[in-house]
Amino acid sequence: QKEVEQDPGPLSVPEGAIVSLNCTYSNSAFQYFMWYRQYSRKGPELLMYTYSSGNKEDGRFTAQVDKSSKYISLFIRDSQPSDSATYLCATKMEYGNKLVFGAGTILRVKS
Amino acid sequence: GAVVSQHPSRVICKSGTSVKIECRSLDFQATTMFWYRQFPKQSLMLMATSNEGSKATYEQGVEKDKFLINHASLTLSTLTVTSAHPEDSSFYICSALHSTGGHQPQHFGDGTRLSIL
Repeated sequence: QKEVEQDPGPLSVPEGAIVSLNCTYSNSAFQYFMWYRQYSRKGPELLMYTYSSGNKEDGRFTAQVDKSSKYISLFIRDSQPSDSATYLCATKMEYGNKLVFGAGTILRVKS
Repeated sequence: GAVVSQHPSRVICKSGTSVKIECRSLDFQATTMFWYRQFPKQSLMLMATSNEGSKATYEQGVEKDKFLINHASLTLSTLTVTSAHPEDSSFYICSALHSTGGHQPQHFGDGTRLSIL
């Protein structure tokens, strides 16, 4: 079993839709949770960085962490074609810097 | 802020060549940098952790003599793929952590696509 599970998709939605991206993890020691966006042939770009459970909002993006169920989500409101990319969830423990990544979900927003 | 530059972005070379990839933090100091490898449609695989002024820490299964890492300054880490072969062809990505301490996210470069003929 992978430490972080993420459906690779692809997920296709129409422009303007609300997108929900999700990951589950197995290690309860993970305390920091991140979402990265990666365009084709580019490096990952940090979108959201959260600690422990709760919600965090930044513009059209909302990250949610539910540690009781080991479930993390990223919501994108009013999705745009420019949001088409691979979205990677990542986690790390309280101490140490090693990130554990999900497989990434390919998102396609159709105009 | 938090810009990480990686160079070159693309390398095509013959088998047996050694290739050096540079990773620079442009607007912050980075005590720790990381090197990842990414295969098509797969996630990032951590290869090694690079600490300024000390030896890199390699992940299990990564050949130290094959992938040489040098972190000589707080803004520069290099990865050298020695005597590269076609199976080394991949997308190599670096990331950097602020040296300010506390819990900081990793910021990534734009990657280097390495193709060995």
